Amino acid sequence: DGGITQSPKYLFRKEGQNVTLSCEQNLNHDAMYWYRQDPGQGLRLIYYSQIVNDFQKGDIAEGYSVSREKKESFPLTVTSAQKNPTAFYLCASSTSTGTDTQYFGPGTRLTVL
Amino acid sequence: GESVGLHLPTLSVQEGDNSIINCAYSNSASDYFIWYKQESGKGPQFIIDIRSNMDKRQGQRVTVLLNKTVKHLSLQIAATQPGDSAVYFCAENSIGYSTLTFGKGTMLLVSP
Repeated sequence: DGGITQSPKYLFRKEGQNVTLSCEQNLNHDAMYWYRQDPGQGLRLIYYSQIVNDFQKGDIAEGYSVSREKKESFPLTVTSAQKNPTAFYLCASSTSTGTDTQYFGPGTRLTVL
Repeated sequence: GESVGLHLPTLSVQEGDNSIINCAYSNSASDYFIWYKQESGKGPQFIIDIRSNMDKRQGQRVTVLLNKTVKHLSLQIAATQPGDSAVYFCAENSIGYSTLTFGKGTMLLVSP
């Protein structure tokens, strides 16, 4: 069953903690993306990766970090430097970057306590 | 997820009606457009896409129209059903750019 999985579905973080969100895909896609979604706003790009061991900052990268050690996996760490981390986080993948359709995972809702 | 639609434009229709959701874009160089559907608490689902060399593309119960002159994109849903209730948003890209730009979305509410 091909697709993109994200875990956990819900995540709670205390202030000052780092947390890592998982994203895995078995679509053999080269490109992967992380977005943040807040109520009433469009998706905002955090980081993206076009190929293993390479990634670029998006529009709102401050307070976040990523790694791309395997083609299938693109974990996102929300660090304590992110001042307002409560949001819905979406991972996506596509065959390549640019004019290729992005397919999304089910999302992780992060809440800071 | 359940609060994604907060403060979004809303279109309310009756079951069986046709729905039209609009999207304006600003980049005249945009040449690839996608419509996504997002249900409460879930990730966006791909609905249909269109490239700039086309004016119209049809899928199952959905049609996308592209007017490059006025930089306008629309999604038409025929015989709207309660299961179509969701937030719909468009995305665009241009050759040479690595990422998509997403609109804020429109909430579609379908009454039985």
